Amino acid sequence: DGGITQSPKYLFRKEGQNVTLSCEQNLNHDAMYWYRQDPGQGLRLIYYSQIVNDFQKGDIAEGYSVSREKKESFPLTVTSAQKNPTAFYLCASSPEARSGPHEQYFGPGTRLTVT
Amino acid sequence: GQNIDQPTEMTATEGAIVQINCTYQTSGFNGLFWYQQHAGEAPTFLSYNVLDGLEEKGRFSSFLSRSKGYSYLLLKELQMKDSASYLCAVRGFSNAGKSTFGDGTTLTVKP
Repeated sequence: DGGITQSPKYLFRKEGQNVTLSCEQNLNHDAMYWYRQDPGQGLRLIYYSQIVNDFQKGDIAEGYSVSREKKESFPLTVTSAQKNPTAFYLCASSPEARSGPHEQYFGPGTRLTVT
Repeated sequence: GQNIDQPTEMTATEGAIVQINCTYQTSGFNGLFWYQQHAGEAPTFLSYNVLDGLEEKGRFSSFLSRSKGYSYLLLKELQMKDSASYLCAVRGFSNAGKSTFGDGTTLTVKP
């Protein structure tokens, strides 16, 4: 079954701890994205990657870090520098970054709660 | 940059037709997407427009006017399961597949 997986579905952490959210896809997509969604709001882009070993900051990258060592994997680390990390985090992928009407395919999301 | 506006909430009756509008301002345009998102779940793709006009897909249609910076999603024969948030997303021309999302329109379908 092709798709995007995120784990875990729910994650709880204490303030001051770094936490890494997993995102894996077996769709052979080049581009991958991380979004944050707060209640009643749309998706805000944190980081995106067009190709292995390359990634760019999105609109709200401060306090987050990513890596893209493999095509299938794009983990997101929420660091202690992120002021308000409690949110719903969504990972997405699309076939090509630059051309064509390629929609994004989303994982099921991870709901992170930091207390 | 990009700015996207959608109504926050809409209510409609089962079996009716509803139109959800989206207006956008962008420095470069390379397509507009509509996604459906049920509460607590991931968004799923509904439709894509890059040229002016209407795209029809079963009960769902989407319209685009690039000159007016305007799109709408039309849902026909509404069903209770259509209660969800509908997200409008605009892709810029030069930023490699990156899309900017509106805040979404929460549609409630009543019996």
